[in-house]
Amino acid sequence: DAEITQSPRHKITETGRQVTLACHQTWNHNNMFWYRQDLGHGLRLIHYSYGVQDTNKGEVSDGYSVSRSNTEDLPLTLESAASSQTSVYFCASSESSSGAGTQYFGPGTRLLVL
Amino acid sequence: GQNIDQPTEMTATEGAIVQINCTYQTSGFNGLFWYQQHAGEAPTFLSYNVLDGLEEKGRFSSFLSRSKGYSYLLLKELQMKDSASYLCAVRGATNKLIFGTGTLLAVQP
Repeated sequence: DAEITQSPRHKITETGRQVTLACHQTWNHNNMFWYRQDLGHGLRLIHYSYGVQDTNKGEVSDGYSVSRSNTEDLPLTLESAASSQTSVYFCASSESSSGAGTQYFGPGTRLLVL
Repeated sequence: GQNIDQPTEMTATEGAIVQINCTYQTSGFNGLFWYQQHAGEAPTFLSYNVLDGLEEKGRFSSFLSRSKGYSYLLLKELQMKDSASYLCAVRGATNKLIFGTGTLLAVQP
């Protein structure tokens, strides 16, 4: 069955380290998104991509980067992890062009920055 | 600015009906989504409204009034497994989703 997966599911890292969170979908969806979820906030968009080689900044993109070299993967990199980046990270994908369509979410990655 | 409001918490009884409201002010409107999220899990899609009116899907229904910037999610015949957070999200003019902070529903026996 087609699906969207994230790895690792849990990660503990230290301040200043570079961290990469993986997102892989087998639906062949054009659109992929990264969100973070924190208490007191709704899901907030970090970066998104509407296709291969396309990446865009979201609402809370500072300190994060993404690259899209194929349809299936959108890895999220924290260049120099900060304690403020402790959060739960969700990847999502949708089918229709330019961000339309229903977004389906991966299982999430819990990141703790010490 | 862009804002989505929904109650923080609600409590209801097993077998009853509960209505979760969502009001929004956004730059443009291209549809409203409801997601369910159990603790420690991913949001899962429940419903989508882009035109005014009621969409029914089994025990769940969702209503939209674009002129009032208002939606509600109606859950009937509540079951214990319906205890979860319910997220309202609006797709704005740029097709990006803007999420509310979610409503935590507790279903009691």
